[in-house]
Amino acid sequence: AQSVTQLGSHVSVSEGALVLLRCNYSSSVPPYLFWYVQYPNQGLQLLLKYTTGATLVKGINGFEAEFKKSETSFHLTKPSAHMSDAAEYFCAVSDNNDYKLSFGAGTTVTVRA
Amino acid sequence: DTAVSQTPKYLVTQMGNDKSIKCEQNLGHDTMYWYKQDSKKFLKIMFSYNNKELIINETVPNRFSPKSPDKAHLNLHINSLELGDSAVYFCASSQDARVQNIQYFGAGTRLSVL
Repeated sequence: AQSVTQLGSHVSVSEGALVLLRCNYSSSVPPYLFWYVQYPNQGLQLLLKYTTGATLVKGINGFEAEFKKSETSFHLTKPSAHMSDAAEYFCAVSDNNDYKLSFGAGTTVTVRA
Repeated sequence: DTAVSQTPKYLVTQMGNDKSIKCEQNLGHDTMYWYKQDSKKFLKIMFSYNNKELIINETVPNRFSPKSPDKAHLNLHINSLELGDSAVYFCASSQDARVQNIQYFGAGTRLSVL
């Protein structure tokens, strides 16, 4: 079965600074990888996903992530944080051996003015 | 027009009661899900239906019973509520059951069992 580890339950960045959220996965077959964002009191929405093809994936709101098979990682970055990026971020993995999406424990991002 | 809507948004009830949460999607999707998010924000799949047929049934107490009257609706009924059932429950939908599909989430139902 696949699983996800998100390193760092809480990340605090200054406005305009780089945002880096770490995600490592385990999967016995090629994975499908996702980043979802949850704003306060809302449901999750997709930031970006990797299924096949180009390993650098661009998403909404200036976020991007790179699939690195050798490192079993799918870290999320944004060059310049905005106050509106304050939210909970979830990395998730699935694969063709399973019908379900497995989520990491989440990383809370706070942005300092 | 909300794509995935859940009702109620908040539910406060006593231990031992029975309650239901309703979910509707207007995206024309075939597959719907229920997730539980605990107090540490950990999100775990509970059930999934594809075209009204149960395809995922995780290790969930049988006090929880999902029902899908049609593919646009997936309701969750909980019998004999316990303190540990307090959580946020999210409904989601996707185009079909392929795991690489995007899932669209409702805003959640915050259940508090007293």
